[in-house]
Amino acid sequence: GNSVTQMEGPVTLSEEAFLTINCTYTATGYPSLFWYVQYPGEGLQLLLKATKADDKGSNKGFEATYRKETTSFHLEKGSVQVSDSAVYFCALAGGTSYGKLTFGQGTILTVHP
Amino acid sequence: DTEVTQTPKHLVMGMTNKKSLKCEQHMGHRAMYWYKQKAKKPPELMFVYSYEKLSINESVPSRFSPECPNSSLLNLHLHALQPEDSALYLCASSHAKEGGKLFFGSGTQLSVL
Repeated sequence: GNSVTQMEGPVTLSEEAFLTINCTYTATGYPSLFWYVQYPGEGLQLLLKATKADDKGSNKGFEATYRKETTSFHLEKGSVQVSDSAVYFCALAGGTSYGKLTFGQGTILTVHP
Repeated sequence: DTEVTQTPKHLVMGMTNKKSLKCEQHMGHRAMYWYKQKAKKPPELMFVYSYEKLSINESVPSRFSPECPNSSLLNLHLHALQPEDSALYLCASSHAKEGGKLFFGSGTQLSVL
């Protein structure tokens, strides 16, 4: 079956530091890959997505590239802000499923001024 | 309008109570979902409705009863819940053929006493 593995957290950074959150996946076929973010007290928001190999998703300074050869979708940002403090979930959806997302365990990011 | 609205935001109920959670969206999405999220964990899929018909039930106990009265509304009826059912309940919606790209509400924080 499908599975997603995220790096263990929590991650604590100073403002303007470089961020990487690792994500690898196991899936049959050609899944779509997503990063969702959950700010305190809120639901999840789609941050970015990629639907095929070598696609790069980007949004709000965050980027992730769909690497089929390494089955990875690592999230990066060049300079984090305090407002980026949140929980980040990597997820995949296989084939034409109706949004049956498989989530990773989530990574808590805290950014200090 | 790109919002999914959930009510109430907080709910405290006893184990013998009957209550309902409500969810509404006006984005023309024909797929709607209920997720359950425990603290510091990823969301777990409970139910999926597609074109107002239940298409996925992830073996959820019968004390949770979903209902989709029309394409904009989704309810979750609760009866005889257990303390371990205390969690954040998230509603989401999507276009039926855009698997994985979900719009989430802010959730109902449920406490069962």
